[in-house]
Amino acid sequence: DAGVTQSPTHLIKTRGQQVTLRCSPKSGHDTVSWYQQALGQGPQFIFQYYEEEERQRGNFPDRFSGHQFPNYSSELNVNALLLGDSALYLCASSQQGGLDIQYFGAGTRLSVL
Amino acid sequence: SQELEQSPQSLIVQEGKNLTINCTSSKTLYGLYWYKQKYGEGLIFLMMLQKGGEEKSHEKITAKLDEKKQQSSLHITASQPSHAGIYLCGAAEMITASKLTFGTGTRLQVTL
Repeated sequence: DAGVTQSPTHLIKTRGQQVTLRCSPKSGHDTVSWYQQALGQGPQFIFQYYEEEERQRGNFPDRFSGHQFPNYSSELNVNALLLGDSALYLCASSQQGGLDIQYFGAGTRLSVL
Repeated sequence: SQELEQSPQSLIVQEGKNLTINCTSSKTLYGLYWYKQKYGEGLIFLMMLQKGGEEKSHEKITAKLDEKKQQSSLHITASQPSHAGIYLCGAAEMITASKLTFGTGTRLQVTL
């Protein structure tokens, strides 16, 4: 049973560029959440997708957007990259409803130069 | 918004010693999650606590949630090098968990 998979593992971009990160949830899960983790900090919630809609959003600007596909996989898009966007981006999947456990992928390390 | 404070920020223990990590919330916890993270990698789920006074154990790790549901502790007995990593507590703000708020983590090193 494959867990949560993310691609790519590493990415280097320059300021002003756009980036797309991808996530496939754990089998049987229908909900995908995205987190940003800066060095030395805990993960910060970006948003959550369920039934192809954004259900909840954290304190992130509109430059951060996402999408969920019918097969429950998800993409995170970041436009007009800033140096401060350099971080580990984590995807977590779960089943909607109740206090279900969120399982995390290995993350995508984004470096903005 | 909910804030989680973890202590200590870092810990160095000798192999075989016991240790405790604490997580304190500014609000009532509906669900408290403990994760472990190797440097630069994803989070590995350890345990989830929901009820006041609840205690769960897995191998040599025990997690507790206090009666008032505002503080949790993670205790490791007879630490091993494999326990090294960053321990993060995460909290659900509502009964329908979506957004998790995390503490800044506790970095654990286990020396031989």
